[in-house]
Amino acid sequence: EAGVAQSPRYKIIEKRQSVAFWCNPISGHATLYWYQQILGQGPKLLIQFQNNGVVDDSQLPKDRFSAERLKGVDSTLKIQPAKLEDSAVYLCASSRGQGNFMNTEAFFGQGTRLTVV
Amino acid sequence: AQSVSQHNHHVILSEAASLELGCNYSYGGTVNLFWYVQYPGQHLQLLLKYFSGDPLVKGIKGFEAEFIKSKFSFNLRKPSVQWSDTAEYFCAANSGNTGKLIFGQGTTLQVKP
Repeated sequence: EAGVAQSPRYKIIEKRQSVAFWCNPISGHATLYWYQQILGQGPKLLIQFQNNGVVDDSQLPKDRFSAERLKGVDSTLKIQPAKLEDSAVYLCASSRGQGNFMNTEAFFGQGTRLTVV
Repeated sequence: AQSVSQHNHHVILSEAASLELGCNYSYGGTVNLFWYVQYPGQHLQLLLKYFSGDPLVKGIKGFEAEFIKSKFSFNLRKPSVQWSDTAEYFCAANSGNTGKLIFGQGTTLQVKP
C-alpha cells in the first residue's frame, strides 16, 4: 500500500512570509497527526485529527499556525507569518485508529524540511 | 501531564556490543508503547509496539523491549548491535482512548565497525 505522502520536501522562506505543507495519509486511515521536529529533538505533536475533527491541538501556536483536514482525507498545515524558530522538519503521520480503538501504530511521511531565513 | 523521557541522548557502541536504551512514560489510563527508528535520510519506522499481553515484545532486526508497569518503563534491547543499527531511536506512547501520540527526545546510536 502507498505510504504517507508529503509535499514539498524542502522549503526555504524569509521570516514573516507564509508557507503551507500538504499531507495525504494512507487510504482509510481515520487519524492524522502533524508534528514539528527541531534538530536534535523528538517530534512534538502539533495537532491530531480524527476524520475531519480536531482531537488535540493543545501544542499548536494558534496565533500563527493553522491546520485543516477537509473531507477527512488530506490535510494542510500553514504558518503565517513564519519566524526563525519555525525552522524544523514538519512530519505528517496517519493511523487506522478511531473512536475508542486507538491500539494502532502510526505511519510517517518523509517530512518537509523548512528553513526560515 | 503526559510525557515520555529517554535516558540516553547519545550512545556509542562497538559492533557486537549489547544495547539497552531507557524509556519512561507518564500517562494516565490505558497506554500503548512504541519504539521508532530513523535511519539517516529516511522516515520514522516502527521497530516494535506493545498494546497488551506478554510484556516482552519482539520487533524487527532482532530488537526487543520489555514493558514494566510498576516502573513505567519500556526499555529497548538488542543483544548484539551491528554497524547498520546506527540511527536515531525514539520511544513513544499513545493514549488507548484518544490516540494522542507523544515522543521522547530521542537517542542517537552510533555503532563503530
